[in-house]
Amino acid sequence: DGGITQSPKYLFRKEGQNVTLSCEQNLNHDAMYWYRQDPGQGLRLIYYSQIVNDFQKGDIAEGYSVSREKKESFPLTVTSAQKNPTAFYLCASSGGTGQLYEQYFGPGTRLTVT
Amino acid sequence: QKEVEQDPGPLSVPEGAIVSLNCTYSNSAFQYFMWYRQYSRKGPELLMYTYSSGNKEDGRFTAQVDKSSKYISLFIRDSQPSDSATYLCALPGYSSASKIIFGSGTRLSIRP
Repeated sequence: DGGITQSPKYLFRKEGQNVTLSCEQNLNHDAMYWYRQDPGQGLRLIYYSQIVNDFQKGDIAEGYSVSREKKESFPLTVTSAQKNPTAFYLCASSGGTGQLYEQYFGPGTRLTVT
Repeated sequence: QKEVEQDPGPLSVPEGAIVSLNCTYSNSAFQYFMWYRQYSRKGPELLMYTYSSGNKEDGRFTAQVDKSSKYISLFIRDSQPSDSATYLCALPGYSSASKIIFGSGTRLSIRP
């Protein structure tokens, strides 16, 4: 089955620790994205990558870092500098034979930092 | 002013009702319009998209765009409890096709 996988589904960390969220896609999509969703709010773009070894900051990149070493993978690191990291994190991808702007989402990772 | 405005709801209607979900946008440069459905604790899924003014129908769902008013709508006919979800309008950025401006989402509940 083609799709986007995110792991783990739930993640718990202590304050001050860095944590890396995994995102893998087998859709042969060029572009990948990371969003954050807080209760009752829409999606806010953290980082996106349109091609391997290149990525751009989104609207709320502070306290986050990414890498794009492979087309299939786009991991997100939530650093200790992120002041309010508890949220639902969504990875998406677009491109391939579909329209670039049609983004397909993974199931999400719910991060809780205490 | 936000680029995309969407009433957060919640909206609760009885099963079988016609549901109308709406968004307004501020920039006439937006050309492509999408609707995503998000079930609780899941990732959004692309429901419908349309490129131009007018209506596009897919089963019980109809997407409508009025570019003159900068107003987009999603209608659900014969609503079912399984339609209970949050619906987000989404507009690809006019300066970069790969960035999408999402509405904040309307939470919909269909009462059996």
